[in-house]
Amino acid sequence: EIVLTQSPATLSLSPGERATLSCRASQSVSSYLAWYQQKPGQAPRLLIYDASNRATGIPARFSGSGSGTDFTLTISSLEPEDFAVYYCQQRSNWPPAFGQGTRLEIK
Amino acid sequence: QVQLQESGPGLVKPSQTLSLTCTVSGGSISSGSYYWSWIRQPAGKGLEWIGRIYTSGSTNYNPSLKSRVTISVDTSKNQFSLKLSSVTAADTAVYYCARTPAWARIALFDYWGQGTLVTVSS
Repeated sequence: EIVLTQSPATLSLSPGERATLSCRASQSVSSYLAWYQQKPGQAPRLLIYDASNRATGIPARFSGSGSGTDFTLTISSLEPEDFAVYYCQQRSNWPPAFGQGTRLEIK
Repeated sequence: QVQLQESGPGLVKPSQTLSLTCTVSGGSISSGSYYWSWIRQPAGKGLEWIGRIYTSGSTNYNPSLKSRVTISVDTSKNQFSLKLSSVTAADTAVYYCARTPAWARIALFDYWGQGTLVTVSS
């Protein structure tokens, strides 16, 4: 079973700053890595799939990169609505698995 | 726009069976273009994929839960369901249903229900 480790656990930034979130896989997942955003009391929302493809309706300030075992989600300039928890998820091997999440909080 | 809605009891006694239903609207569950999954999230914790079903009835389960999970589909009602047996307090969580495009093969969750909290307690 593939384990995804996200870092940092918590990231404190101010609106307008650049956010860089990391996800490391215990073995290669090729490019089969997705990112989700979850706000309190809401279901997760798909942001990025296959490492770098934005899902429908996702703003261009969200971008993803990486392959193999190391992946990055970048938010170029934080908006107030971007403060949330972010999860990565692999679809390379059974069972599909999520990272433990990175909480992006307002500094 | 497709919508998913979970329903079922919010309280289940230990050792009993948790039963939830996800109703899909805005599209046919039997279109053959999607897989339909259950995912759960204990309070303050991360996400755990439980299992999925295809319209043919073919299923895949998380090995960690496989012995206790059954997922079924009712195409006439545009619904799919989850049964989790022998529950304990560790099964207390928000349960989500979600959709995976068939091209994504294993799992990619593009639409989610709002989630329903199930508490296991006597």
